[in-house]
Amino acid sequence: GAVVSQHPSWVICKSGTSVKIECRSLDFQATTMFWYRQFPKQSLMLMATSNEGSKATYEQGVEKDKFLINHASLTLSTLTVTSAHPEDSSFYICSARALLTSGSTDTQYFGPGTRLTVL
Amino acid sequence: QKEVEQNSGPLSVPEGAIASLNCTYSDRGSQSFFWYRQYSGKSPELIMSIYSNGDKEDGRFTAQLNKASQYVSLLIRDSQPSDSATYLCAVNLGFGNEKLTFGTGTRLTIIP
Repeated sequence: GAVVSQHPSWVICKSGTSVKIECRSLDFQATTMFWYRQFPKQSLMLMATSNEGSKATYEQGVEKDKFLINHASLTLSTLTVTSAHPEDSSFYICSARALLTSGSTDTQYFGPGTRLTVL
Repeated sequence: QKEVEQNSGPLSVPEGAIASLNCTYSDRGSQSFFWYRQYSGKSPELIMSIYSNGDKEDGRFTAQLNKASQYVSLLIRDSQPSDSATYLCAVNLGFGNEKLTFGTGTRLTIIP
């Protein structure tokens, strides 16, 4: 259980184009999903917290107009990188918060990640 | 001071030995603690979660939490080459706080 998928797993695009990344919780409902970015040899950097049916909460320094997040259902959140530039090339990872059996605490499960390369 | 600190390593351990990974955190109110394993080029995979002081064992893995000293550790017994990865410590304030704060990770290499 608690499987999260991402699509696509990798994408190469030209500078100036937009790229959409999908994150799905396959066997549970996720009221909250998170989007991270990871540059080589660095740790995860939280970009935004996405709650179903409401606007995403962005971390300081993350441009909300550049990284559009939509959480339309309890199993799907999307991240759109608009007008991508080479400096946006990174590993983008989503996670979904799952409430396990009663008495335990929410846990985040990660998708497999999307490697974005902007030429 | 970083919120969650880990020794970046690399930590080299002979196969079959015990690998010990440590993590300290700054927020005394933290409630939930997680260890994730990340292979190169892959996303993090949950290894252990721990919420109360003491030890929690799961197979070859043991998580230890000491809230008074604000540290959490992960022990890997009978280390295998497949355990070679970066191990990320993550902390959550709990009480409805949704975000995880990650350490920079410790790179572990198991030497055959």
